[in-house]
Amino acid sequence: DAGITQSPRHKVTETGTPVTLRCHQTENHRYMYWYRQDPGHGLRLIHYSYGVKDTDKGEVSDGYSVSRSKTEDFLLTLESATSSQTSVYFCAITNRAHEQFFGPGTRLTVL
Amino acid sequence: ELKVEQNPLFLSMQEGKNYTIYCNYSTTSDRLYWYRQDPGKSLESLFVLLSNGAVKQEGRLMASLDTKARLSTLHITAAVHDLSATYFCAVDSGAGSYQLTFGKGTKLSVIP
Repeated sequence: DAGITQSPRHKVTETGTPVTLRCHQTENHRYMYWYRQDPGHGLRLIHYSYGVKDTDKGEVSDGYSVSRSKTEDFLLTLESATSSQTSVYFCAITNRAHEQFFGPGTRLTVL
Repeated sequence: ELKVEQNPLFLSMQEGKNYTIYCNYSTTSDRLYWYRQDPGKSLESLFVLLSNGAVKQEGRLMASLDTKARLSTLHITAAVHDLSATYFCAVDSGAGSYQLTFGKGTKLSVIP
């Protein structure tokens, strides 16, 4: 599992509240990612990081921000959650062999 | 903008039969990934194809990459029920940092 954990694993929140999802890795990988998965869309990249404090936008970054203050942690924040952000969120890492592995996922419901 | 298309999106096949899933992509890339996802679970890495002509096999699954045709195939040999899952291909956009663009997935059902 490449040592990736996500927390929380499930969350229900209300529209307009801030939400932060955490991704933690134990193997010192440089590259980390946040994706969302929705029926009929496959996975779509939200943001990614290529080092501490180095992040950039992906395909669907509107409404999301990220931070990476330590190698092992990559945080995804929804500043003001909306119902359209109800989804399953996956964190991923890429290792030196170019393989990209995924965390267990966080199911977020915004009411 | 990179687009990734998988065909078919749904596949129902009998045990013991062979079939191929196709993954076409729209711009040049030398890295292509295949994943398996079971319902309610995360993605499991199956193959990483890193060059033109790459072929990898694991059990009843074999993946290949033709970068000139912008095509990868996932071939299933003598399907068994345990292979029932959704299979995704993903292509490295080439923009750096291994940013992947995913196909919509192929939901495979293997019927006894």
